[in-house]
Amino acid sequence: IVLTQSPATLSLSPGERATLSCRASQSVGSNLAWYQQKPGQAPRLLIYDASNRATGIPARFSGSGSGTDFTLTISSLQPEDFAVYYCQQRTNWPLTFGGGTKVEIK
Amino acid sequence: EVQLLDSGGGLVQPGGSLRLSCIASGFTFNNYAMIWVRQAPGKGLECVSSISSGGTGTYYADSVKGRFTISRDNSKNTLYLQMNSLRAEDTAVYYCAKRDPTTAYGMDVWGQGTTVTVSS
Repeated sequence: IVLTQSPATLSLSPGERATLSCRASQSVGSNLAWYQQKPGQAPRLLIYDASNRATGIPARFSGSGSGTDFTLTISSLQPEDFAVYYCQQRTNWPLTFGGGTKVEIK
Repeated sequence: EVQLLDSGGGLVQPGGSLRLSCIASGFTFNNYAMIWVRQAPGKGLECVSSISSGGTGTYYADSVKGRFTISRDNSKNTLYLQMNSLRAEDTAVYYCAKRDPTTAYGMDVWGQGTTVTVSS
């Protein structure tokens, strides 16, 4: 299953709303997760099952969607949110990640 | 503290072998499926191999099938990745991660990564 993320880069200012998209080549139901990765660090799980926040993830992060179209929304960007975000499906092996969306400071 | 400590990376010539290790602490290791994920320099994430909690179920990406072997020793709280016939395209940071059923098998704990460089 191929996951396509858009846009590749999102240039926004702190306090703005970020909307990231992930499209699957076939239905994955709700079996989609989102991860955040900062330079030199391992990824961090943000969202599982499309819309459930992982432990300790702030409420400004929310996920939605099902089937083939998914969205990660960051309601008000904080300085620590500028990073690369990946979606990942678990419907079929091989588990696959999208190519990532970089959220950068405008 | 829940922690994964991965190690074993290094510089190896094409065709060579390496064994990566991932030592778990702070949780009941034998209750969880585990996975190796790699990231080539400047690139995205790729799931390389996964193993069930008991070790009986293993899965491999097509790119490593027949060359890599995942295993675990639950008595030592350790996950392994034996990598043979290494190629330049295997150069990456390799992360081990825990897959938690309470987060729909999301990868909720990650090691710090170990770097594998395949070059002559």
